[in-house]
Amino acid sequence: DGGITQSPKYLFRKEGQNVTLSCEQNLNHDAMYWYRQDPGQGLRLIYYSQIVNDFQKGDIAEGYSVSREKKESFPLTVTSAQKNPTAFYLCASSAALVGASEQFFGPGTRLTVL
Amino acid sequence: GENVEQHPSTLSVQEGDSAVIKCTYSDSASNYFPWYKQELGKRPQLIIDIRSNVGEKKDQRIAVTLNKTAKHFSLHITETQPEDSAVYFCAATNLEYGNKLVFGAGTILRVKS
Repeated sequence: DGGITQSPKYLFRKEGQNVTLSCEQNLNHDAMYWYRQDPGQGLRLIYYSQIVNDFQKGDIAEGYSVSREKKESFPLTVTSAQKNPTAFYLCASSAALVGASEQFFGPGTRLTVL
Repeated sequence: GENVEQHPSTLSVQEGDSAVIKCTYSDSASNYFPWYKQELGKRPQLIIDIRSNVGEKKDQRIAVTLNKTAKHFSLHITETQPEDSAVYFCAATNLEYGNKLVFGAGTILRVKS
């Protein structure tokens, strides 16, 4: 299961708290992505990054923030502005944003708001 | 933007039978169509993909077909086995403008032994 890792596996948050999900990859990939997975809705793109210090909003970025200070790391912060944060969060990476194909996924973090 | 619809949402087949999952996409500029398999509690994993310059691709018991005119593509699994039971997702994107996959809602495949 190496290559791309996420932590923690399970995360519980009280309403009003910000939490940060970790994503690390050792595949030397330039592009990284964050998806949210809800039952019956597939995966939806939150943010993506094609290079260090650059990232773009995906389809459902409201209430989330990211940073890309290192090539290997792409943490996601779920802020208190996200109204329905309970979900399964998946990080992915690919060799490049443009032209490359396969995205490799991490094992995911299940976030529950108490 | 792109929209991907996937059918059926659940599919039950007898072991040894074939399974077919269909997806339609809206953006005629999409040129890359992967299929991911996600077992319960696990990460999605790519099982097969196809690019728009190819009509069909096969890998052992798995095949994908693409009809660009109709804007739909299908996953075919032959001789199904219990370990094929999982959720399958289709996706679409235009690789020239960024590998931002748009996923279908998923199909729960149950193979009964």
